[in-house]
Amino acid sequence: DAGVTQSPTHLIKTRGQHVTLRCSPISGHKSVSWYQQVLGQGPQFIFQYYEKEERGRGNFPDRFSARQFPNYSSELNVNALLLGDSALYLCASSPGTAVQETQYFGPGTRLLVL
Amino acid sequence: AQKVTQAQTEISVVEKEDVTLDCVYETRDTTYYLFWYKQPPSGELVFLIRRNSFDEQNEISGRYSWNFQKSTSSFNFTITASQVVDSAVYFCALRSSQGAQKLVFGQGTRLTINP
Repeated sequence: DAGVTQSPTHLIKTRGQHVTLRCSPISGHKSVSWYQQVLGQGPQFIFQYYEKEERGRGNFPDRFSARQFPNYSSELNVNALLLGDSALYLCASSPGTAVQETQYFGPGTRLLVL
Repeated sequence: AQKVTQAQTEISVVEKEDVTLDCVYETRDTTYYLFWYKQPPSGELVFLIRRNSFDEQNEISGRYSWNFQKSTSSFNFTITASQVVDSAVYFCALRSSQGAQKLVFGQGTRLTINP
């Protein structure tokens, strides 16, 4: 079975632009979470979505938004890009929202903001 | 607030040596989960192990072993007889049993195994 997939793999944008990143969870998984990983640091939690509802949000500005579709895939949108938004954006999926579930990560989208 | 500290930024050893990666965490929760992930140069985080706060048994999986000590809030990871393929960045992470499935990661330890 396929793992978590993300697109695109790489992206270059300029300051002020917006970007949309996409994620498809593992088949059968209904929960998707997004993380930002700045170079040299650990991933930081941005959002969790389950059954199209936001279940959690990290300490990120309103420029960051996300949504989940009926097929459980998800999009992360970032508006008014800043240089500091350059990072690896990771998507993770899990079967549901149970506390003991493991999140499985995709390969990420590398975003460079110039 | 929850926090994970991986004090070792980089470790370099020669192949076949044993190496231990340290992880110390802080949480006020009585129930929580600890994880280790491996991040090779490709960027994808690979799940290695999950441990809940009520299970302090050490675990061994092949050359990998984990030592969970609640008394010292530590969850250390040992690789025995290291191999070049073990070279990667390793992250320890903590998750509360309440709220969203939010993982709090440490800053990671870059492990280099030299032939």
